[in-house]
Amino acid sequence: ELKVEQNPLFLSMQEGKNYTIYCNYSTTSDRLYWYRQDPGKSLESLFVLLSNGAVKQEGRLMASLDTKARLSTLHITAAVHDLSATYFCAVDRAYNTDKLIFGTGTRLQVFP
Amino acid sequence: NAGVTQTPKFQVLKTGQSMTLQCAQDMNHEYMSWYRQDPGMGLRLIHYSVGAGITDQGEVPNGYNVSRSTTEDFPLRLLSAAPSQTSVYFCASRTGFSSYEQYFGPGTRLTVT
Repeated sequence: ELKVEQNPLFLSMQEGKNYTIYCNYSTTSDRLYWYRQDPGKSLESLFVLLSNGAVKQEGRLMASLDTKARLSTLHITAAVHDLSATYFCAVDRAYNTDKLIFGTGTRLQVFP
Repeated sequence: NAGVTQTPKFQVLKTGQSMTLQCAQDMNHEYMSWYRQDPGMGLRLIHYSVGAGITDQGEVPNGYNVSRSTTEDFPLRLLSAAPSQTSVYFCASRTGFSSYEQYFGPGTRLTVT
């Protein structure tokens, strides 16, 4: 059974600091997603990672994928308050089927 | 493009009632999915479809039915609502060609009393 675990579950960080969110999954998969969700809102797609060693960056966020370790990271550089949100990773259960399993999310709060 | 739309935005049902949550997309996407999100949790897949006439079960399909008669629409039917189905429901879609990015609708907040 595919399981997706994120840590930490809660992260309170100061503006300007760097931090990393981790996403571990239990079986092989061909896609890993990162999403952002603001309170009471829908999900916004951040990154789709498709292959081992894939790295994608958008602004202060950078995501990477190590399929051998079954690990993805979401690195936050010089955090700002606008990054406060809940971040989810998700992994597909079977090839190209959209049977996504989501992690429980990391709630990020950035304070001055 | 309107993207992915969902109706209604809010709904209150009594136990045992049935209803249909509507989802539509105008991007000609082949893949569509329904998820539910419970407080403090990630999303769980209910049903999904890879094209008109083709549906499959996700992680938590019990109590829900779907059909996909057109590419644009993917309604989710609750057969006999139960309090355990109180949740926020999201519909998502993506093209089946070259892009794996999923687009999510705004969600339907359902309360079953």
